[in-house]
Amino acid sequence: NAGVTQTPKFQVLKTGQSMTLQCAQDMNHNSMYWYRQDPGMGLRLIYYSASEGTTDKGEVPNGYNVSRLNKREFSLRLESAAPSQTSVYFCASSGGTSNYEQYFGPGTRLTVT
Amino acid sequence: GENVEQHPSTLSVQEGDSAVIKCTYSDSASNYFPWYKQELGKRPQLIIDIRSNVGEKKDQRIAVTLNKTAKHFSLHITETQPEDSAVYFCAASPRSGGYQKVTFGTGTKLQVIP
Repeated sequence: NAGVTQTPKFQVLKTGQSMTLQCAQDMNHNSMYWYRQDPGMGLRLIYYSASEGTTDKGEVPNGYNVSRLNKREFSLRLESAAPSQTSVYFCASSGGTSNYEQYFGPGTRLTVT
Repeated sequence: GENVEQHPSTLSVQEGDSAVIKCTYSDSASNYFPWYKQELGKRPQLIIDIRSNVGEKKDQRIAVTLNKTAKHFSLHITETQPEDSAVYFCAASPRSGGYQKVTFGTGTKLQVIP
């Protein structure tokens, strides 16, 4: 099993450009999440999808949109990138009624200039 | 919503000594408290977790304690080794349905000095 995969690993954007971060999991998990990690701020939830077909805002959703394409894939879109969105983005998934653990992807380092 | 505070932000210990990281949470509905370890440039990985019906849990050199009345929980690492050097995150979560909306603390950078 690959677990949780993310593409791309690195990306540099100019202010105003758009891009989509891709995430996929092969663990048959129901729930998926997008976090951003900034120095001294920990991991902050952007959006999550409790199950296929549903998405909800997290703590810092402004400037982002998400799509739960199917049970495996959950994408994050930046419509008009801003320097404040420079961060490391992690996708995670969790599943099962007794397994609460979240499994993280390797992260995407995004720089907006 | 939930608010998780974590202290200290940095911690240096000599190899073989113990390390303690403390967290507080605000939402009395939280019932699941995981700890994640993140090595430099890597993804966070779960190292131990505790649920609200348990006061303490141990796994080899790592233990977590939970005081629901005071709304605080702690990570204890004994006999620290250089490979314990990493950033540690506490988190709290009220389980809702089949998913886990987790709020993370801001992290503790642990340095174990050989």
